[in-house]
Amino acid sequence: DAGITQSPRHKVTETGTPVTLRCHQTENHRYMYWYRQDPGHGLRLIHYSYGVKDTDKGEVSDGYSVSRSKTEDFLLTLESATSSQTSVYFCAISESAGTGYTFGSGTRLTVV
Amino acid sequence: AQSVTQPDIHITVSEGASLELRCNYSYGATPYLFWYVQSPGQGLQLLLKYFSGDTLVQGIKGFEAEFKRSQSSFNLRKPSVHWSDAAEYFCAVGPRYGNKLVFGAGTILRVKS
Repeated sequence: DAGITQSPRHKVTETGTPVTLRCHQTENHRYMYWYRQDPGHGLRLIHYSYGVKDTDKGEVSDGYSVSRSKTEDFLLTLESATSSQTSVYFCAISESAGTGYTFGSGTRLTVV
Repeated sequence: AQSVTQPDIHITVSEGASLELRCNYSYGATPYLFWYVQSPGQGLQLLLKYFSGDTLVQGIKGFEAEFKRSQSSFNLRKPSVHWSDAAEYFCAVGPRYGNKLVFGAGTILRVKS
């Protein structure tokens, strides 16, 4: 959807390097989420945000941090990338509880 | 903690045949329920959702799902599958007074001609 974009779409990085993924929305939605998708696991929540500077951990938050300084941007940082963080990362937004999510197109991250 | 189980990892159906994808959830109260579809290399698209009321909900692309409280299930159906329906399908559950969704592991649908 044009209302949510992720960058980059693909990235290859080396073990131990920091990586930042960006999610940008134009919908002015309050909630933003980062999920990772791995075969056999579906989507697992890494971190989410319920407003500017308001963030919380999901079920697989170890090794990840997030920041949200503006409503429209939600950044996911891998402080020191590991091979286990090779995955497809999806950002999602929602307007309120129960409205469902709108997803970005994903970022395929490979850590070598 | 809430969880979602999609028992079938892969399903293959013939074009024109009917389809049912299974979803069972574990949750302490009646949750919000969703089905999403993901085409290869794409993000997830919302097919349909259940909040309350009629337990049979209609979605896009001719899909429907039925909520059965007694079975903790929310199965997705389509009367006649088209080749373009080949994709991965995810069931998700969310709390009524929160916003974090929990997803199942997904079911990959293959359509043979």
